[in-house]
Amino acid sequence: EAGVAQSPRYKIIEKRQSVAFWCNPISGHATLYWYQQILGQGPKLLIQFQNNGVVDDSQLPKDRFSAERLKGVDSTLKIQPAKLEDSAVYLCASSRLGLPRRETQYFGPGTRLLVL
Amino acid sequence: AQTVTQSQPEMSVQEAETVTLSCTYDTSESDYYLFWYKQPPSRQMILVIRQEAYKQQNATENRFSVNFQKAAKSFSLKISDSQLGDAAMYFCAYRRRLNTGTASKLTFGTGTRLQVTL
Repeated sequence: EAGVAQSPRYKIIEKRQSVAFWCNPISGHATLYWYQQILGQGPKLLIQFQNNGVVDDSQLPKDRFSAERLKGVDSTLKIQPAKLEDSAVYLCASSRLGLPRRETQYFGPGTRLLVL
Repeated sequence: AQTVTQSQPEMSVQEAETVTLSCTYDTSESDYYLFWYKQPPSRQMILVIRQEAYKQQNATENRFSVNFQKAAKSFSLKISDSQLGDAAMYFCAYRRRLNTGTASKLTFGTGTRLQVTL
């Protein structure tokens, strides 16, 4: 079974530019998460999708961040315009919709973003 | 809001020895799940072990075991017979149980970097 795929792996941009990250979850996984991991901190949820609907986006800076999951499969996270403090690793995770007690989130390798 | 605290930024253990990583959490919920995740330098987060709050028995997975103290809101990870491949960042994480059937997010601690020496 293929894991969660993310691209690109690394991205360097200047502040005020825009950037987009792509995630392809494990086949059949209905739930998809985007986490932001700032250096020295644990991951923090930005947005959670169930199929193509948003479950939780309470910590997404909506003035500059947007995300979509068309057709309930892969997802794109966009930042426009980027700020210095957006430098972080962006992790995508997915899980199968089933018994919540058995739900496990599988993580992708992440995209490391550096904003100069 | 739920919080997860890992008070040990770094730990070191000799190969074949045992090490314990600490984690405390704060929640008003009674039903939830706790996890330890491992993040090697390649950055792929991997689930190490899971504990369900309603279970009194501590979870074990081969060389990994936990000490779950619900009243104290403590959830430590013990790694026995440490191996060089255990070197990584270890994150403690919390997830509340929702009655809607929808899975909820993970709330992570700040992590403990484990070094394994020869």
